[in-house]
Amino acid sequence: GNSVTQMEGPVTLSEEAFLTINCTYTATGYPSLFWYVQYPGEGLQLLLKATKADDKGSNKGFEATYRKETTSFHLEKGSVQVSDSAVYFCALSEYQGAQKLVFGQGTRLTINP
Amino acid sequence: DVKVTQSSRYLVKRTGEKVFLECVQDMDHENMFWYRQDPGLGLRLIYFSYDVKMKEKGDIPEGYSVSREKKERFSLILESASTNQTSMYLCASSTTDETGELFFGEGSRLTVL
Repeated sequence: GNSVTQMEGPVTLSEEAFLTINCTYTATGYPSLFWYVQYPGEGLQLLLKATKADDKGSNKGFEATYRKETTSFHLEKGSVQVSDSAVYFCALSEYQGAQKLVFGQGTRLTINP
Repeated sequence: DVKVTQSSRYLVKRTGEKVFLECVQDMDHENMFWYRQDPGLGLRLIYFSYDVKMKEKGDIPEGYSVSREKKERFSLILESASTNQTSMYLCASSTTDETGELFFGEGSRLTVL
């Protein structure tokens, strides 16, 4: 079946550091790919998405490019802030009666001032 | 904005009790989902529904059932709660848009003693 593998956490960085969180996937067909973020005490919210190969999703300074050849969708940000501390989930869509999402295990990110 | 509301943020129940988790969405979405979130395991799909009175099993349906009598409401039922069902439960909804983007509630943290 389809699956998503994320870089293991937790990840701790200093403010203004460069961030990469790796995500690779296994899927049949051409799924859409997503990054969701969960801030402390909250539900998940969509951070960015890409619906086809070579698409780049971006939001709030975060970017990720859909790489079909390496089956990857790595999340990057050039300069992180304390407010970026959260859990990040990579996900892909698959169709089974409805489009549903398969999630990775999540990566906890902590940014120190 | 899409709003997905889960009726209880925190619940404490005893082993063997029947538990109802309620979820309501206000954007007329066709699809609704229940996920379970556990550290290191990410989100795992329990059940989903793509129409009123329709339900499909997800990856971990054992010990759970669902009900969708109205389009806006999707209930998760634990017939006889067990300690291994202590977890965070997340409800989500989506349209029939082919990208599969989900909108999440804030979650219900269930503790079974």
